[in-house]
Amino acid sequence: SYELAQPLSVSVALGQTARISCGGNNIGSKTVHWYQHKPAQAPVLVIFRDNTRPSGIPERFSGSNSGNTATLTISGAQVGDEADYYCQVWDSNAGVFGGGTKLTVL
Amino acid sequence: EVQLVESGGSLVQPGRSLRLSCAASGFTFGDYAFHWVRQAPGKGLEWVSGISWNSVAIDYADSVKGRFIISRDNAKNSLYLEMNSLGPEDTAFYYCAKVGGGGGSVLGWMDHWGQGTLVAVSS
Repeated sequence: SYELAQPLSVSVALGQTARISCGGNNIGSKTVHWYQHKPAQAPVLVIFRDNTRPSGIPERFSGSNSGNTATLTISGAQVGDEADYYCQVWDSNAGVFGGGTKLTVL
Repeated sequence: EVQLVESGGSLVQPGRSLRLSCAASGFTFGDYAFHWVRQAPGKGLEWVSGISWNSVAIDYADSVKGRFIISRDNAKNSLYLEMNSLGPEDTAFYYCAKVGGGGGSVLGWMDHWGQGTLVAVSS
C-alpha cells in the first residue's frame, strides 16, 4: 500500500517561513491535498490540488509537489497557525494520509 | 453555510454494532461525494470509507472492509456508517467530510468537515 512520510514536528520562529514535507514514491505524479487540524476542532482544508488555496485561507499558505516530495509552505507563520498538518492523496481509490506534522510557532 | 453534524457515537462493547449519522445542510447534498475519516486517541487521521453522489462508487480502508458499511440518503441529506464487529482498534473520533469541486466523484479534496463523534469500544 502507498505510504506518505511526514516529519513528526516542525518548529518555526514567529513571522518566519515553515516548510512541512510529505514524502511518497513518485508523489509528484499524484495530486496532494493538505489539512490543518487543531485540537477539538474540525480539520480544515488549506491546500488542494498541490497548490490551490481554498477561499478564506490566507495567502501565506502555499504548496508544491514534485518528484518524491510535496511541501506545504507557511510564509510569515503566526501563532494561530500552530496545529497538526496532514498531507493526503488517493491511491487505487483508497485515501492515504501522512502521519501528520505538529507545527510549533516559537 | 455548509454544516456537517455527526451523531451516534457512544461507548460500546467489543463485538457490538453502531450506526453513525452525518446530517448535512447549506448545500445540495446529492451533488457531492462524502467520506468518513477517523482519528484514534493520540494518532493521526485515517481514511475509513467514501461514497459517490449516487452511491455507485463505494470504497473502504482494508482495516474496516467487511465490517463497515457506508450509505447515504439524498432525500434526507444524510450520510451513514454502519459499524459491525467493533474492536478496541476502532476507538476514535469519526468525522464526515464533503468532497469539494463538484462532479460527485469520491477522488477529490475534502473541503468541509464535521466536528466529529466519539466511538469508544471497551468492555
